Amino acid sequence: KQEVTQIPAALSVPEGENLVLNCSFTDSAIYNLQWFRQDPGKGLTSLLLIQSSQREQTSGRLNASLDKSSGRSTLYIAASQPGDSATYLCAVISPNDYKLSFGAGTTVTVRA
Amino acid sequence: DAGITQSPRHKVTETGTPVTLRCHQTENHRYMYWYRQDPGHGLRLIHYSYGVKDTDKGEVSDGYSVSRSKTEDFLLTLESATSSQTSVYFCAISGRDRQPQHFGDGTRLSIL
Repeated sequence: KQEVTQIPAALSVPEGENLVLNCSFTDSAIYNLQWFRQDPGKGLTSLLLIQSSQREQTSGRLNASLDKSSGRSTLYIAASQPGDSATYLCAVISPNDYKLSFGAGTTVTVRA
Repeated sequence: DAGITQSPRHKVTETGTPVTLRCHQTENHRYMYWYRQDPGHGLRLIHYSYGVKDTDKGEVSDGYSVSRSKTEDFLLTLESATSSQTSVYFCAISGRDRQPQHFGDGTRLSIL
């Protein structure tokens, strides 16, 4: 059974600092990995999707890397802003049943 | 944003009563999913559907049933609600089974 872990559970940084969020998974046989953002009381918004054959994916200030062999992904957010405050979740899709397995998330607070 | 509407958005009910949550989509997507989100657990898949009248169980399906009689609607039913089913429930959709999933805003369900 795939286990996805996100550490730390919470993070507080001053505005302008770069954010580094970690995600690890136990089974390296994944189809792809997805990073989501969740605002309080809202659903999940997909930020980046990395196929298993890719090493990284970029969108604006966001960059996500994937190291399948070590079971790790990292989400980098450059020059953080207060609007980046949210919970960030990673999820992996199994190639066998195509189901998403989620981590519990990292809650980020960016202080103005 | 993907057209996903969940109803109701909030519900408080008593143990032993039946509860039905509705997910409605306007994207004509084939795949629909029900998740629950609990502190420390991330999102866990309850049931999913890969077409009209085609459904399958997820990770935490006990105590839940689903139905999909039309492409646009996916219903989640708690036949006899228990306090352990107090949670936030999210519906998600995707056009293909390995493509990014898009989420609704959730239903907060409290069972007293």
